[in-house]
Amino acid sequence: AQSVTQLGSHVSVSEGALVLLRCNYSSSVPPYLFWYVQYPNQGLQLLLKYTSAATLVKGINGFEAEFKKSETSFHLTKPSAHMSDAAEYFCAVKRTGANSKLTFGKGITLSVRP
Amino acid sequence: NAGVMQNPRHLVRRRGQEARLRCSPMKGHSHVYWYRQLPEEGLKFMVYLQKENIIDESGMPKERFSAEFPKEGPSILRIQQVVRGDSAAYFCASSQDRVYEQYFGPGTRLTVT
Repeated sequence: AQSVTQLGSHVSVSEGALVLLRCNYSSSVPPYLFWYVQYPNQGLQLLLKYTSAATLVKGINGFEAEFKKSETSFHLTKPSAHMSDAAEYFCAVKRTGANSKLTFGKGITLSVRP
Repeated sequence: NAGVMQNPRHLVRRRGQEARLRCSPMKGHSHVYWYRQLPEEGLKFMVYLQKENIIDESGMPKERFSAEFPKEGPSILRIQQVVRGDSAAYFCASSQDRVYEQYFGPGTRLTVT
């Protein structure tokens, strides 16, 4: 079975500050890992994905994440927050085998203060 | 290339009525997934379909819920005899192949009164 833990439900940063959103996973087989962003009343947009190539993954809008197998983590970072980054962020895991469903964490709401 | 389309975007049903949610995958995608998002929770997998086949329905409630993806036309998620607990946002995603990333539609927000 797979699971994702996103500690805390809300993170608040100042504009221009570092964004760090934590994600830890549990998987019995090597996983694929994803970060999605959801703006109010919209669907999910893929930010970035890890599919067993480079452990440091760069995504859209200046976000990146690093896969650390020893820590079972896939934390999302951005050096400098913008007001437009305010949204909900979901980490998700997927098995690389036949079962193709995504298992999501509960999500983290990011607020950006002026 | 149009994205994943879902309709209606908002759906209001009274208890006991039926709800039909439609999803048209991205062009060239033959894999469709349905997820449900309850308030204050992440998305929960419901069902995974390919054309005319249900591949994984391990997340579907045993009663009142069904899904199909016919040879022609959109995928349909059907909820019979809706109850207030069915109120949620229902998202459809599609992928080109099961190993590729999933692209999400804008969702259908179901309200049961």
